[in-house]
Amino acid sequence: AQSVTQLDSHVSVSEGTPVLLRCNYSSSYSPSLFWYVQHPNKGLQLLLKYTSAATLVKGINGFEAEFKKSETSFHLTKPSAHMSDAAEYFCVVPGNTGKLIFGQGTTLQVKP
Amino acid sequence: GAGVSQTPSNKVTEKGKYVELRCDPISGHTALYWYRQSLGQGPEFLIYFQGTGAADDSGLPNDRFFAVRPEGSVSTLKIQRTERGDSAVYLCASSYTSPDTQYFGPGTRLTVL
Repeated sequence: AQSVTQLDSHVSVSEGTPVLLRCNYSSSYSPSLFWYVQHPNKGLQLLLKYTSAATLVKGINGFEAEFKKSETSFHLTKPSAHMSDAAEYFCVVPGNTGKLIFGQGTTLQVKP
Repeated sequence: GAGVSQTPSNKVTEKGKYVELRCDPISGHTALYWYRQSLGQGPEFLIYFQGTGAADDSGLPNDRFFAVRPEGSVSTLKIQRTERGDSAVYLCASSYTSPDTQYFGPGTRLTVL
């Protein structure tokens, strides 16, 4: 069965510094993988998705993620954090029938 | 164009009551998903519709939960004999087909007193 584990429940960075949100996956085959973001009182928004075309995936708002099969990881990064990046981030793997399997989430706090 | 909409945005009910939560998907999207998000957790899958039929209802926690999509567009999630543990945000998502990118609504926050 597919699953994802987000290694940090809470990450705090200063504005302008790099962001790293960690995700490991478990799958019996090379999966698709997604990162979604959830701002307070707003709906979930797709940040980026990996579908085996390229291991380095660029998303919206300057985020990117690298699929590393040897490490079963799909970490999310951004070179320079902005205050507006403060939100909840979810690493997601699709299950059978297309349903999404979410990680527990990582809260990103950005300090001025 | 319009995104996924959900009504009501908030619902407060008493233990034992019946509630209905509505989802309007993006026009033309054939796939519709319901998820439940408890406080501090990631969303958990409940049920998936392809057209009018429930293609996967393996996430429904028990027989108090039921969902319909009679015309292949709007869907209603129905919860009978609500319990305090049902309190959560109920999210709806739709996609053009499945599997495909899912677009989420803002959710309905259900509070069972």
